[in-house]
Amino acid sequence: DAMVIQNPRYQVTQFGKPVTLSCSQTLNHNVMYWYQQKSSQAPKLLFHYYDKDFNNEADTPDNFQSRRPNTSFCFLDIRSPGLGDAAMYLCATSRESDSNQPQHFGDGTRLSIL
Amino acid sequence: AQSVAQPEDQVNVAEGNPLTVKCTYSVSGNPYLFWYVQYPNRGLQFLLKYITGDNLVKGSYGFEAEFNKSQTSFHLKKPSALVSDSALYFCAVRGAPNAGNNRKLIWGLGTSLAVNP
Repeated sequence: DAMVIQNPRYQVTQFGKPVTLSCSQTLNHNVMYWYQQKSSQAPKLLFHYYDKDFNNEADTPDNFQSRRPNTSFCFLDIRSPGLGDAAMYLCATSRESDSNQPQHFGDGTRLSIL
Repeated sequence: AQSVAQPEDQVNVAEGNPLTVKCTYSVSGNPYLFWYVQYPNRGLQFLLKYITGDNLVKGSYGFEAEFNKSQTSFHLKKPSALVSDSALYFCAVRGAPNAGNNRKLIWGLGTSLAVNP
């Protein structure tokens, strides 16, 4: 089945130690999103790629970076994680040939900071 | 400014009873409206959407939603709730084309649905 896969499902890192979360998709969608979600709150968009075009949200901390080496893969890099960065990180994709298409989500990576 | 409101943090219903999860929105132009469900430690799953046409939209798992333009609402409904419907439900809206950066979804804060046996 075509899907969005996030690895790992659970990630533990130390305060200040860089961490990378990964997302892959078999849907061949041209838009990929990264969201942060804390304790059953609404997902908060960090940034998205439209093809290779990177779009950062104005309030996304500089500590968060992203890479999209090809259509299928997208990475979230947290350069120096703080305790406040502990959250669920969700990757989503959409086909944007027209904007009425839903986003398809992976099952997320739950990040813990020691 | 575009916004979505889910006025109830939590909804409790008995199994077999009808359920309603409320959503109202504010957006310029014609909205594209979506409902998603999230089970514990899972990602969001798309349930249904309203783009245009019939105001009553049917989606996955027996859910449906009614678009009401005059009340700017898009309430999620199910005629007979199941215990397995217990989850977090999110309403989201995006502006129609030519309404700015419409690739972004505006999310409600979520409603926790508990269906009691």
